[in-house]
Amino acid sequence: QTVVTQEPSFSVSPGGTVTLTCGLSAGSVYTTHYPSWYQQTPGQAPRTLIYNTNSRSSGVPDRFSGSILGNKAALTITGAQSDDECDYYCVVYLGSGSWVFGGGTKLTVL
Amino acid sequence: EVQLLESGGGSVQPGGSLRLSCAASGFTFSSSGMSWVRQAPGKGLEWVSSVSSNAAVTAYADSVEGRFTISRDNSKNMLFLQMNSLRAEDTAVYYCARRGGSSEFLNWGQGVLVTVSS
Repeated sequence: QTVVTQEPSFSVSPGGTVTLTCGLSAGSVYTTHYPSWYQQTPGQAPRTLIYNTNSRSSGVPDRFSGSILGNKAALTITGAQSDDECDYYCVVYLGSGSWVFGGGTKLTVL
Repeated sequence: EVQLLESGGGSVQPGGSLRLSCAASGFTFSSSGMSWVRQAPGKGLEWVSSVSSNAAVTAYADSVEGRFTISRDNSKNMLFLQMNSLRAEDTAVYYCARRGGSSEFLNWGQGVLVTVSS
């Protein structure tokens, strides 16, 4: 069974830069996995941030960017703000119409 | 404006059944793949099932394979999830999601709570 790994938690200072990663237990994340990233605040539905590795969804500020770093997908937040404090999830497409989400990263801005 | 509105949630005993619905508007439903994603209380997101735009292709997570059935009615812009043989571990908020052109979950509904408990 394929497992997608994310840091359980991360901390960043206001105005700082943080990179969250998304790995695959079975090996590397490639662009052909179409990794995407979602932001979720408590009690709310997820919000799409990044899709297709590095494309920003409509209305997402350019402080958020996606990439492949080494063998993982990555979400980088620059100029972190207090509003960025929430949960972040990545998901990868495994083919045959199936996806796997990572366990999520709880980001703290302090 | 894209809207996805789930309904049909509630409380059910283990072994019971529920049918979730998702009413879609604001986009060409018949051209979009659709998915269900769930989130157990205090846990992360879990992909549950997906269906292609023309309903020809469906896929399920191992955890629900054989118990859940995804379907759609393109004439009514509706997505469904028939959930049978429900277990306590199926307790979650279920989100309806529209898929984008790059396999992303582009738009999300507000979610509906399903509670399986005796």
